[in-house]
Parts: sequence; C-alpha cells; structure tokens
Amino acid sequence: DIQMTQSPSSLSASVGDRVTITCRASQSIRNYLNWYQQKPGKAPKILIHAASSLQSEVPSRFSGGGSGTDFTLTISSLQPEDFATYYCQQSYSTPFAFGPGTKVDIK
Amino acid sequence: EVQLVESGGGLVQPGGSLRLSCAASGFSFSSYWMSWVRQAPGKGLEWVANINQDGSEIYYVDSVKGRFTISRDNAKNSLYLQMNSLRAEDAAVYYCAGQRNNYGPHFDYWGQGTLATVSS
Repeated sequence: DIQMTQSPSSLSASVGDRVTITCRASQSIRNYLNWYQQKPGKAPKILIHAASSLQSEVPSRFSGGGSGTDFTLTISSLQPEDFATYYCQQSYSTPFAFGPGTKVDIK
Repeated sequence: EVQLVESGGGLVQPGGSLRLSCAASGFSFSSYWMSWVRQAPGKGLEWVANINQDGSEIYYVDSVKGRFTISRDNAKNSLYLQMNSLRAEDAAVYYCAGQRNNYGPHFDYWGQGTLATVSS
C-alpha cells in the first residue's frame, strides 16, 4: 500500500502570509494527488485534483504542484477563511490513502 | 443542489453491527463511483471502501475486509455500508463521497457524516 506523509503537521501564520504544505508518497503516484480542506465539524472540501487542477469556485490563491512522489499546496496570501486542516490524498491505487493532515492556525 | 445525507450511525457494542445509508440527490448518482471515508474523533481521514456505478467493482481498506460490505441501489439513489463485527477502532464519523474520475479519482461531493460509536 502507498503511504502518505505531510509536513509540517501544523503551522501558525498571519493573514497575508504565503504558506506551503508538502506531501510525499512512498512510491511514485504520477500526478494522482488531491488536496482537501477541512474545517472543524465540517466535511472535507476538495481544493485541487490531479496535483494542480484547481476545482471550480476555489480561489486562485490556492495552487498545487509536483509529480511522482513530492507535491506541494501553496496558499499565496492567507485569508481568515483559510484557517483549517489540509489533507493530501493519493488516488493512484486503492486503498486511497490520505496524509495525516496539516493544521493551519492563526499566529 | 448536490446533497448527500448519511444516516444510521449510533452506539453499538463491540462485536455488533450497524448499517449506514447515504441518500443522494442533485446529481446523476448512477453515473458516479461512490466511497465511504471515515474519521475517528480528533484524527485524520481514512478511505474505507468504494463501489463503481453498477456495483461490479468494489474495493476495501484491509482493516475492514470481511467485516464491512459496501453496496448501492441506483433506483433509490442510495449508498450503503453494512458494518459487522465492530471494534472500538471503527468508531468514527463516516462520510459518503461522490467520486469523479476525470484526471484521476477524486471526491467532489461529501455528506455531512454520521457518527458510529463502538463501546460497551
């Protein structure tokens, strides 16, 4: 099975900061990598699929990159509504493992 | 408007059973792969199982194989998860998710979740 890791596990940032989260797969997953945002008590929401394809209605300050085993999620200018937990997920093969999450909170 | 509404969660003793349901509306349910994803209290997300459009392809995470059964009824726009031989570690919020497969599988639609508690 493919294992996913994320770093950092948490970060504190200010509104307007540029934030980058890293996700790594235990083997190549080509570009079969998705990013989700989850706020407390809510269901996850998809932000990006296929490593870099932004979902419709997701603000352009979110971007994704990478291929193979190493991926990034970048928020170019953090907004108050972006404080949440972010998960990467591989969809190259089942089981579709998620990363452990990165919690972004207010500095 | 797309809606996925889960139900069937509750308190069950270890070794017991629960049947979760997910009612879908606002999209072409029969055209979508569907998944169950769970989240233990205070923990991360774990994909549990998925099923293709006509039920002929099904996959499970190893930890639930032989105990959980995913199924669907396209005539009722509904997805199900039969959970048997429940363990304490199965306690979680269970989400159903609509899986789109363009440029790789990804979960576009999510329900609000239903909580399964396994405790004596």
